[in-house]
Amino acid sequence: DIQMTQSPSSVSASVGDRVTITCRASQGISSWLAWYQQKPGKAPKLLIYTASSLQSGVPSRFSGSRSGTDFSLTISSLQPEDFATYYCQQANSFPLTFGGGTKVEIK
Amino acid sequence: EVQLVESGGGVVQPGGSLRLSCAASGFTVSSNYMNWVRQAPGKGLEWVSVIYSDGDTYYADSVKGRFTISRDNSKSTLYLQMNSLRPEDTAVYYCARRWPSNWYFDLWGRGTLVTVSS
Repeated sequence: DIQMTQSPSSVSASVGDRVTITCRASQGISSWLAWYQQKPGKAPKLLIYTASSLQSGVPSRFSGSRSGTDFSLTISSLQPEDFATYYCQQANSFPLTFGGGTKVEIK
Repeated sequence: EVQLVESGGGVVQPGGSLRLSCAASGFTVSSNYMNWVRQAPGKGLEWVSVIYSDGDTYYADSVKGRFTISRDNSKSTLYLQMNSLRPEDTAVYYCARRWPSNWYFDLWGRGTLVTVSS
């Protein structure tokens, strides 16, 4: 199975801050990676797919990038509605696997 | 409106069974690859099972032989039959639709909680 390692597990930030979350795949997955946002008690929401493509309706302050087996999600200017937990997911092979999550908290 | 609504969760004893349902609206279940994904309390996400549009099914090793995914096209409903339940199956179970051409999930339900406890 492909292991997805996310870091950090949590980050404290203020409104307006730039926040970057990383996800490392245990083997090559090309660009088959997605990022999801999950708020408490809610279902996950697809933000980014194929490493860097923005899902329709997602604000442009969210962006994704890839360097080899390392992937990043960046929020350029954190907004109050962005405080949530973020997960990466590899879509390269079965079983599909997710990272452990990164909780973005208010500083 | 395009949406998924899960039901059927509850408390069950170890070794027991439960069937989850996921009612779809606004799109055709049989034309999509439909999945179950679960999340244990305070934990991350775990893919559980998929049913392809052609009816093929696949499972995570952790549930293989115990869980069965199926669908009723006439009711536009997805099911997950869970047998021989274990405490580690305790989780919120989400149904999710696969993106049309890639293994991302573009539509999720709100989830239903399954608790396996004596």
